[in-house]
Amino acid sequence: QKEVEQDPGPLSVPEGAIVSLNCTYSNSAFQYFMWYRQYSRKGPELLMYTYSSGNKEDGRFTAQVDKSSKYISLFIRDSQPSDSATYLCAMHGGTASKLTFGTGTRLQVTL
Amino acid sequence: DTGVSQDPRHKITKRGQNVTFRCDPISEHNRLYWYRQTLGQGPEFLTYFQNEAQLEKSRLLSDRFSAERPKGSFSTLEIQRTEQGDSAMYLCASSLGQTLWSYTFGSGTRLTVV
Repeated sequence: QKEVEQDPGPLSVPEGAIVSLNCTYSNSAFQYFMWYRQYSRKGPELLMYTYSSGNKEDGRFTAQVDKSSKYISLFIRDSQPSDSATYLCAMHGGTASKLTFGTGTRLQVTL
Repeated sequence: DTGVSQDPRHKITKRGQNVTFRCDPISEHNRLYWYRQTLGQGPEFLTYFQNEAQLEKSRLLSDRFSAERPKGSFSTLEIQRTEQGDSAMYLCASSLGQTLWSYTFGSGTRLTVV
């Protein structure tokens, strides 16, 4: 079993829809939870991070962490065609040496 | 210094040849990471450096792989005797000690072994 599980999609939604992306994890040591966006043939770019449980909002994006359920989510409101990309969740144990990534969910926002 | 720079962007090589990739991190970042990403998968950790010291290597990093970071600045990743299974995107990232969980990635080097 992988430490981080993420549905690979693809997920196709119409422009303006609310998108929900999710990951589950098994390692209780994870403390920092990140969402990266990756366009085709580019490196991942950091979208949002949260520390421990709770919500964080940044414009159209909201990240949620539920440590009791080992479940994290990213919500995208008013989705745009420019949001079409692969979204990777990633986790870090604080003192751990590396980020552990999910497989990524490919999102397509259609006109 | 606008970000993490990787060179080359693309590399096509014949099986059995050696290849070397370079990564220039953000100058004030003391940690540097190498990841490998295959199609449809998330990045997988290979190795990381704190300054010039290589502190951890993944089991994915076979004896054919070697990485260096002389003087704690740029880093190189060499693959000897390449195999078709080495075909992947090789990503470099850097982070600053106080926010070590916040990585900045380069655009990667796409390796194709034919």
